[in-house]
Amino acid sequence: ELKVEQNPLFLSMQEGKNYTIYCNYSTTSDRLYWYRQDPGKSLESLFVLLSNGAVKQEGRLMASLDTKARLSTLHITAAVHDLSATYFCAVDQGTNDMRFGAGTRLTVKP
Amino acid sequence: GAGVSQSPRYKVAKRGQDVALRCDPISGHVSLFWYQQALGQGPEFLTYFQNEAQLDKSGLPSDRFFAERPEGSVSTLKIQRTQQEDSAVYLCASSTWVGEETQYFGPGTRLLVL
Repeated sequence: ELKVEQNPLFLSMQEGKNYTIYCNYSTTSDRLYWYRQDPGKSLESLFVLLSNGAVKQEGRLMASLDTKARLSTLHITAAVHDLSATYFCAVDQGTNDMRFGAGTRLTVKP
Repeated sequence: GAGVSQSPRYKVAKRGQDVALRCDPISGHVSLFWYQQALGQGPEFLTYFQNEAQLDKSGLPSDRFFAERPEGSVSTLKIQRTQQEDSAVYLCASSTWVGEETQYFGPGTRLLVL
C-alpha cells in the first residue's frame, strides 16, 4: 500500500529565512504533486513533477523529485508572510488513487 | 473560465439523516474525483468517474456512501444514515483526462453530523 509521509508537520519560520519540506513515499511513482491549502479554502496546485530529477520553481518555492530515493522536496527561499498555509504533497501511481501526505502547516512570522 | 463548484458549502445533518452533495466540474473535464478530508488531515480518495462510468470506488468507507454522475458532468455524492464520523470536508476535483497533469479542486462541502 502506498504511504506518503511529510515532514515536518508543523513549521514556524521567520520572514527571510530558508527551509525545506520533505515528502517521502513508499512505492514506485514518477508523478508527484504539490498543493497549497489556505484555511477554509480548497487546494491550489503548485507543482507537478513528472520525472526523476524534475525541478520546478515559482517565486520563492522550488520543488524537486528524486524517484530513486522516493523523495520530493519543497524548498522555501526568503520566506514571506503570504506563504503561510498548509502544503500537501500527493503521489499518483498511475491509477486513479492519488495519495496525499498529512500536510505541513507553515507559519511565517515577521 | 469557471472552476469546479460544489454545493452546499456547509451542511449540518442530524445523525441518521441522508445528505446529498453536488459537484459541478469544469466544463469538458472527463475525469471527476471525490475526496474526504478530515480536520487536520490530507484528502483521502473516495471514488473516481470517467465520464458517467464509475471506474473506482475503492475509497468509499461503507455502503452508506454512494456516488453518481449520470450524464458525465454533474456528480452527486450521497451519504445515507449519516454518522458522526462522516463529519469532514468533501472535496470534488476534475481533470481533462485520466493521467492529466493536475486535478482542479472545488471549494469543498463541510459536513457536520450532530
